[in-house]
Amino acid sequence: SQELEQSPQSLIVQEGKNLTINCTSSKTLYGLYWYKQKYGEGLIFLMMLQKGGEEKSHEKITAKLDEKKQQSSLHITASQPSHAGIYLCGADLMEYGNKLVFGAGTILRVKS
Amino acid sequence: EAGVTQSPTHLIKTRGQQATLRCSPISGHTSVYWYQQALGLGLQFLLWYDEGEERNRGNFPPRFSGRQFPNYSSELNVNALELEDSALYLCASSRQGSYNEQFFGPGTRLTVL
Repeated sequence: SQELEQSPQSLIVQEGKNLTINCTSSKTLYGLYWYKQKYGEGLIFLMMLQKGGEEKSHEKITAKLDEKKQQSSLHITASQPSHAGIYLCGADLMEYGNKLVFGAGTILRVKS
Repeated sequence: EAGVTQSPTHLIKTRGQQATLRCSPISGHTSVYWYQQALGLGLQFLLWYDEGEERNRGNFPPRFSGRQFPNYSSELNVNALELEDSALYLCASSRQGSYNEQFFGPGTRLTVL
């Protein structure tokens, strides 16, 4: 959706390298969600962030929410081939009531 | 706990035909959501059903419709198929009132020839 901009659109990293994916909202956020999708498959929930400054980690993936900037970043440390896939951010926006809007996704490839 | 299931996995239709996609939510979930993921367009919200009623609808034409059954499973129907309807259709479910905690199925890949 145009309300959520993800960057970069795609990313190729060498195994072991760190990387960051950003998600910026043009509207006020109620909550921000990160999902991972293997190509052509369903979405797997990674993390939910609801408060400004909140930071959550799961294994080697860390997500932060900057409420002032209406932006979230997803950081992967020491990337592995298993991290490859499409990362999508979804947001709970004030204007849209009971539905999530999603960014276009970031395609991550990890070279061995 | 079984996850959200969708059928069929793949569906091939020709222009003008109708397609029916099915979704079974997680046990205990009453809300079902449908999304379209077309190539290059990201995930677009289609429909939300809760307790058998359509609660919200995305910006899609009326030929996209659906229903929710008493057991909370759902069908998405697409009439008069067009080439641009080719996409991955994802279904998600949540507990009532927890629309921000959606669990997604594996999707149905619809190809329109």
